[in-house]
Amino acid sequence: GESVGLHLPTLSVQEGDNSIINCAYSNSASDYFIWYKQESGKGPQFIIDIRSNMDKRQGQRVTVLLNKTVKHLSLQIAATQPGDSAVYFCAENESAGGSEKLVFGKGTKLTVNP
Amino acid sequence: KAGVTQTPRYLIKTRGQQVTLSCSPISGHRSVSWYQQTPGQGLQFLFEYFSETQRNKGNFPGRFSGRQFSNSRSEMNVSTLELGDSALYLCASSLGRSSGGNQETQYFGPGTRLLVL
Repeated sequence: GESVGLHLPTLSVQEGDNSIINCAYSNSASDYFIWYKQESGKGPQFIIDIRSNMDKRQGQRVTVLLNKTVKHLSLQIAATQPGDSAVYFCAENESAGGSEKLVFGKGTKLTVNP
Repeated sequence: KAGVTQTPRYLIKTRGQQVTLSCSPISGHRSVSWYQQTPGQGLQFLFEYFSETQRNKGNFPGRFSGRQFSNSRSEMNVSTLELGDSALYLCASSLGRSSGGNQETQYFGPGTRLLVL
């Protein structure tokens, strides 16, 4: 039978607007979180990360907010540009015995209209 | 520094065959992880290797295996291919977390697109 694809949340913004992409994570014990950007035909590209001892971290045009109480992450992109169009994934690092294992959210497709 | 490289980039196989994918991590990175990406299941963790040892394994059948060499390069193998194995296989490398240390950022390669007919 035909496989059912994941329903990707979508966000459409105008060039120059600010974008906010949200993500809920599952493991309250996770203490490291990363946002990745994936363009068509490419692997995920690191954008920004945050550790659980912080609630906000800023990069160039991007800010990540972490709310551990409700297990929620958000990625804010300032002055969104057409080149920001991509699928954005949040990931939590579930480490067991020192190993690295990323658990990814479903992703949000961002479309920036010129 | 050169990024993570994966070979081949594209591969077509038929059911029942086996396939080996290769990953070269960023220089100095000792941890290599593999992920499978499909439209139906999204990005799923396969396994992680550090210093030639598998440290963690995802929920995949035993047909999926891997190994890491002393130079940190890694290969993954899928035997007895099934149609459902068609996917983008991604390799990620990181410095690798030492015991008691912080997690390290994983950087991804471009992936190998596998099509099983």
